[in-house]
Amino acid sequence: KNQVEQSPQSLIILEGKNCTLQCNYTVSPFSNLRWYKQDTGRGPVSLTIMTFSENTKSNGRYTATLDADTKQSSLHITASQLSDSASYICVVRNGKTSYDKVIFGPGTSLSVIP
Amino acid sequence: GAVVSQHPSRVICKSGTSVKIECRSLDFQATTMFWYRQFPKKSLMLMATSNEGSKATYEQGVEKDKFLINHASLTLSTLTVTSAHPEDSSFYICSARVRGVTDTQYFGPGTRLTVL
Repeated sequence: KNQVEQSPQSLIILEGKNCTLQCNYTVSPFSNLRWYKQDTGRGPVSLTIMTFSENTKSNGRYTATLDADTKQSSLHITASQLSDSASYICVVRNGKTSYDKVIFGPGTSLSVIP
Repeated sequence: GAVVSQHPSRVICKSGTSVKIECRSLDFQATTMFWYRQFPKKSLMLMATSNEGSKATYEQGVEKDKFLINHASLTLSTLTVTSAHPEDSSFYICSARVRGVTDTQYFGPGTRLTVL
């Protein structure tokens, strides 16, 4: 069964600290993996996209890693800011055709406190 | 980047009435739009896939007669919640896939529906 799991479910960190969010998936065939940031009451916004051959991709203070062998991905946030408080969703695309499906993870709720 | 808008952002309605939510791709043509539903502290659940000029494809368990989807143009899709009930109260999000680029999906800001 195609599934995406994320951990932790929620996380509270102090402003300025780093954190790492995890994503494990069992999606096959694998096409790509995206990390989205969703602010409360808003739609998700894409942070990074990674394909099978990519191991690391950065977007400012966000760095995503992908291990296609173990089917794991992580999102590392450096020097957290209050505005990083949001839900972070791991989304894996299944298949390679125009009508393939994306599978959403449950998300990790991050709270950055002063 | 590509922008997707939704209208209204919030709506409160009485039980039994119908509510229409619009999803527009503002600066690109979207052959495919998706409608999601999200409950508090839960992830997005795909309701239906809407292709321009054809009938929407609904996910298992989603009532097509209750959630009417129309994708009349390459920039507009609408979701109508018919005979709304309090359990339909939720956050509805649309996304649009950029024409010619199968991998890119842009999300709207969402619509908060409250049925009294």
